Order: sequence, then structure tokens, then C-alpha cells
Amino acid sequence: EDQVTQSPEALRLQEGESSSLNCSYTVSGLRGLFWYRQDPGKGPEFLFTLYSAGEEKEKERLKATLTKKESFLHITAPKPEDSATYLCAVQASGGGADGLTFGKGTHLIIQP
Amino acid sequence: DVKVTQSSRYLVKRTGEKVFLECVQDMDHENMFWYRQDPGLGLRLIYFSYDVKMKEKGDIPEGYSVSREKKERFSLILESASTNQTSMYLCASSLTGRLGEKLFFGSGTQLSVL
Repeated sequence: EDQVTQSPEALRLQEGESSSLNCSYTVSGLRGLFWYRQDPGKGPEFLFTLYSAGEEKEKERLKATLTKKESFLHITAPKPEDSATYLCAVQASGGGADGLTFGKGTHLIIQP
Repeated sequence: DVKVTQSSRYLVKRTGEKVFLECVQDMDHENMFWYRQDPGLGLRLIYFSYDVKMKEKGDIPEGYSVSREKKERFSLILESASTNQTSMYLCASSLTGRLGEKLFFGSGTQLSVL
């Protein structure tokens, strides 16, 4: 069974204070690891897809990295508008369009 | 951009009622999904469909059914709503379901069953 564990559950940072969110996974053949951002009362919004260990992707203050067992979402000099819940999800190579397995998310608060 | 539209933002229903949640996507995507999201449990897959009139059970299908009569529309049906089905319901779609393809989500329907 595919499993995704995110840590910490919640994180409070000061504006400009860089940090990392962790996503560890167990999956039978990784097709892709996804990061989503979710604002309160809204659906998840796609950020990144990573396919293989060693891959990195960046978008503004966010950088996602991938190893064989985990992924990190690094947030550099965050701003209050980066406050959101960040979700990690995996897609296994079992075949078929069977969606994603999600972690429970990290609730990030950036204080001015 | 792909748009996934869920018909209701908030719904309040009574125990035992039949409830329909509607979802429409405008980009000719083959695959559509229904998730529910609960605090502390994250997103869990209820049902998905990879073609018109096709459906597959996800991780928590009990108490739900789905209908996909047209490619753009995917409905979630609660045959007899119960209080433990109070949740945020999220519809999503993807183009083909191939390698590493992302999902596009709607804004969600917050369902309260009283």
C-alpha cells in the first residue's frame, strides 16, 4: 500500500525565515511525486511534479527536491502570502488512471 | 487554463436524503476523480472514471456511487446521506492519466449532513 507522510503537521515562521517541509513516501514504483498548495476553502493548486531521484524544480521562493525515499519543499525568505497548506502526493506505477495518494499536509503560517 | 467547476460551494442536507454533487470540466479530460477531505485524514479517493460510463472504486467507496454519462461531467451520489459523510468534497480531472500527470481540482463542496 502506498503511503505518504508529511512533517511537520504545522509550521509557523517569521517573514524571511527560510525552512523546509518534508514528505517521505513508500510506493511500489514511483511515476511522479507532486506538490500542491491549498488555500483555506479552496481546492489544491498544482506546484511541481518530480519524477526521479536527484531532480529539482523551482518556482519563485519554492524549491522542490526528490530522493528515493523523500521529497523536500524548501521555502526561501517566505512572505505572508506563502501561508497555506502544502500537500505532497505520489502516483504509483501500477498502471491505470487511479489518481494520487496524498499526505495529510503541512499547514504553514508566515507571520509578518 | 483548465477549469473544473463544482456546482455548489456549500450544501446542507438531512440524514437519509439523496444528495447529488456535480462536477464539470472544460478541457476534454479523460479522467475524473472524487476525493473527500477531512481534518487529520487528508484527501481520500472515493471513485474515479477514465472514460464515459466507466467507473472504478477508490479507497473509500462505501455509501457513494457515481455517474459519468458525458465526458465533461462526473457526478457523485450519496444514496442516503449520513452524518459521517459531512466533509469537503473535491472533484479533479486529468488529461490521460499517463506518467506523472497532474490533477486539476475544483474549489470544493462543503457538505454538512444534519
